[in-house]
Amino acid sequence: EAQVTQNPRYLITVTGKKLTVTCSQNMNHEYMSWYRQDPGLGLRQIYYSMNVEVTDKGDVPEGYKVSRKEKRNFPLILESPSPNQTSLYFCASRRGGQEAQYFGPGTRLLVL
Amino acid sequence: GNSVTQMEGPVTLSEEAFLTINCTYTATGYPSLFWYVQYPGEGLQLLLKATKADDKGSNKGFEATYRKETTSFHLEKGSVQVSDSAVYFCALSDRGGSNYKLTFGKGTLLTVNP
Repeated sequence: EAQVTQNPRYLITVTGKKLTVTCSQNMNHEYMSWYRQDPGLGLRQIYYSMNVEVTDKGDVPEGYKVSRKEKRNFPLILESPSPNQTSLYFCASRRGGQEAQYFGPGTRLLVL
Repeated sequence: GNSVTQMEGPVTLSEEAFLTINCTYTATGYPSLFWYVQYPGEGLQLLLKATKADDKGSNKGFEATYRKETTSFHLEKGSVQVSDSAVYFCALSDRGGSNYKLTFGKGTLLTVNP
């Protein structure tokens, strides 16, 4: 089954404790992105990747890092989480040349 | 920059009622337009899309027409079901560069009562 998976689905952590949210897709898509969803703001792009070892900032990259060492994986790293990063995070992927994006189930993060 | 404005929710309807969720956009160039749906506890799923003016996207009884003259992409369904209860997002894809970033509206919560 074609899908985007994220782990963990739920995470509670404390300020400053480094964490990683994993994202994996099995569709051999070139492009992957991270979005955060906040009430009243919709979804906003954090980072995106056009292929292995090629990443770039989206609209709200501050406080986040990403890496793309393998085509199928695109982890999101919060090196020193803060309460304003409490949010619902979505990973997405798409095939090169196509615009429709496929989303993972989301990771709900609470930073205390 | 690009932006999407969709009608504020929540929207509450009875089963078999007619649904319209308004969506207007501002963009440079000629974006593609999408409706995504988010069921409770799940990720976003592509509902329908349109890539050029006057295109009509349709899926599962939902329809939306790309209106360039009014910069709109309103979502409609003739007879909603309880299972349509979800949050609906209008979005546009910026085809400038290679990102094809999606710009989303704030979402509209639809609740359909039996």
